[in-house]
Amino acid sequence: AQSVTQLDSHVSVSEGTPVLLRCNYSSSYSPSLFWYVQHPNKGLQLLLKYTSAATLVKGINGFEAEFKKSETSFHLTKPSAHMSDAAEYFCVVSDEGGYQKVTFGTGTKLQVIP
Amino acid sequence: DTAVSQTPKYLVTQMGNDKSIKCEQNLGHDTMYWYKQDSKKFLKIMFSYNNKELIINETVPNRFSPKSPDKAHLNLHINSLELGDSAVYFCASSQDLKLATDFFSYNEQFFGPGTRLTVL
Repeated sequence: AQSVTQLDSHVSVSEGTPVLLRCNYSSSYSPSLFWYVQHPNKGLQLLLKYTSAATLVKGINGFEAEFKKSETSFHLTKPSAHMSDAAEYFCVVSDEGGYQKVTFGTGTKLQVIP
Repeated sequence: DTAVSQTPKYLVTQMGNDKSIKCEQNLGHDTMYWYKQDSKKFLKIMFSYNNKELIINETVPNRFSPKSPDKAHLNLHINSLELGDSAVYFCASSQDLKLATDFFSYNEQFFGPGTRLTVL
């Protein structure tokens, strides 16, 4: 069984300050982990994905995430927020690769204040 | 050149009606999905098809029936629409395991823009 918990439903940051969106997962096997972004009235876009090659994963638009097995976490960070980062962010886990079944977190809405 | 497309983008209808949402992908993927996103933005998988065969069928009312005429299309038909069906429905596709370059390519899903269904 797998599950994912996004610890904050809303995060508000000022433009130019760091972003931290938290995600914890539960998995019976070695998980695949992803972050997706959804801009208002748009579909979902993959930001980054975890592979076993490196625990620090770099994605698009300056985002990165670190896989910490001991903490079962996969937090998303960005050094400096931009207004265009305002969106909904979803952490996703999959450990049932045979059927490609993924579980979405409940989402974190990122607000960027000018 | 849209990778995953859905029609219509918006759908407003009365309770009790029957409606369909269409999805097409031009990525050559073998697996397609339907997700429902509720008003709180929670995304839940409904169905998954691999090469026109149903492989995931979550607890979804019988009123929802997916149909896959070929591996590039996965349509969703809903009978006797209810108020609670109002949501945004997303179609997605992913690479088949046999063709994926690595396990994680296998899991990456590409999403359509969504169909906002409103039942009055």
